[in-house]
Amino acid sequence: NAGVTQTPKFQVLKTGQSMTLQCAQDMNHEYMSWYRQDPGMGLRLIHYSVGAGITDQGEVPNGYNVSRSTTEDFPLRLLSAAPSQTSVYFCASSRAQGLRYGYTFGSGTRLTVV
Amino acid sequence: DQQVKQNSPSLSVQEGRISILNCDYTNSMFDYFLWYKKYPAEGPTFLISISSIKDKNEDGRFTVFLNKSAKHLSLHIVPSQPGDSAVYFCAASVAGGTSYGKLTFGQGTILTVHP
Repeated sequence: NAGVTQTPKFQVLKTGQSMTLQCAQDMNHEYMSWYRQDPGMGLRLIHYSVGAGITDQGEVPNGYNVSRSTTEDFPLRLLSAAPSQTSVYFCASSRAQGLRYGYTFGSGTRLTVV
Repeated sequence: DQQVKQNSPSLSVQEGRISILNCDYTNSMFDYFLWYKKYPAEGPTFLISISSIKDKNEDGRFTVFLNKSAKHLSLHIVPSQPGDSAVYFCAASVAGGTSYGKLTFGQGTILTVHP
């Protein structure tokens, strides 16, 4: 049981480049989310999904797109990378109505934009 | 506007003693709270949660207390072990409606447990 798998683990981008951070879960969880972690700021929600075909914005959605075509996958797209998007990105998943059990997080993608 | 705050950036305790990590929130709509532990280069790991209908929840060495009137929660670890050394995040959510499951995190507290 792999849980939540994020790829790549590390990435360096040039300003203006685009890329997709991959996230896959094998627990048949309905809820999936993307967070970014910056020093001194905890984790902030970027985008959120409660099921295939349904997405919603979080606290810091600008510069990022998501889609959810399957239950398993929730990719995060950076449209035109900026140095302000240098961060550690975490994907998480949970069963519906599963706050009691918490979200399961992936191990993260460390992104540097130069 | 930081809706969830962990005002202590770090905490140092001796092995075997109690660790108390604190968290305050400002949004009265929050009614579910969670604690996560995070080691370097890993994702956060869920520890324990509490609903606003309770004021205490226990799981082994971990106990979370919720004081709704003060908008304050705390995590107690007894006894503390060196393996508990990590960053601890509290998080809050609304347990209903379209915001269900959207977590708002505090900044984290670095716990160091000395042997």
